[in-house]
Amino acid sequence: EPEVTQTPSHQVTQMGQEVILRCVPISNHLYFYWYRQILGQKVEFLVSFYNNEISEKSEIFDDQFSVERPDGSNFTLKIRSTKLEDSAMYFCASNGAGDNQPQHFGDGTRLSIL
Amino acid sequence: AQSVTQLDSQVPVFEEAPVELRCNYSSSVSVYLFWYVQYPNQGLQLLLKYLSGSTLVKGINGFEAEFNKSQTSFHLRKPSVHISDTAEYFCAVRESSASKIIFGSGTRLSIRP
Repeated sequence: EPEVTQTPSHQVTQMGQEVILRCVPISNHLYFYWYRQILGQKVEFLVSFYNNEISEKSEIFDDQFSVERPDGSNFTLKIRSTKLEDSAMYFCASNGAGDNQPQHFGDGTRLSIL
Repeated sequence: AQSVTQLDSQVPVFEEAPVELRCNYSSSVSVYLFWYVQYPNQGLQLLLKYLSGSTLVKGINGFEAEFNKSQTSFHLRKPSVHISDTAEYFCAVRESSASKIIFGSGTRLSIRP
């Protein structure tokens, strides 16, 4: 069964540095998402992306965050200047066309900010 | 605004016993409902979903859930659990017109031999 894949599985970065988290959604999917889960807390929606633009974003997704689909397969989340509170597990998800299609999640990237 | 409440943060159960994980939601519009499972050090895997139609939905690994509109609940059940069911279970809701999923805080299911 096709999967959403995320790399790296664990990223350690100094505070203030830029970080890029990478995702390869399922190949025929059209809708892409990023969520995050701070340790011990809920999974929170960050942003959704369709047709090469952001369709919805949460309050968390401020100017420090950006997303990009640089080619036909990758979907990236960039954090421009990381803060300690950005430490979390970041999940990428995708779904196909159709209002009732469920989102499929990757295994996540654990981001640790030092 | 939508919200999802999972009242039980942890549920310990003996192996082969039945289990029910509770979920209540609030929304002013029609929603789709989901249960996801997260095994240790893994991502979120879809267990089952309610979109429309029959209120009793069956998912993978022997789990099922019942949508109750009047009580705004979507409780997850399994008649007999196995050690391998040890995981965190997340109830989630999505408005039918929106893209984002709202997750509950999760219930950690621990199975005792």
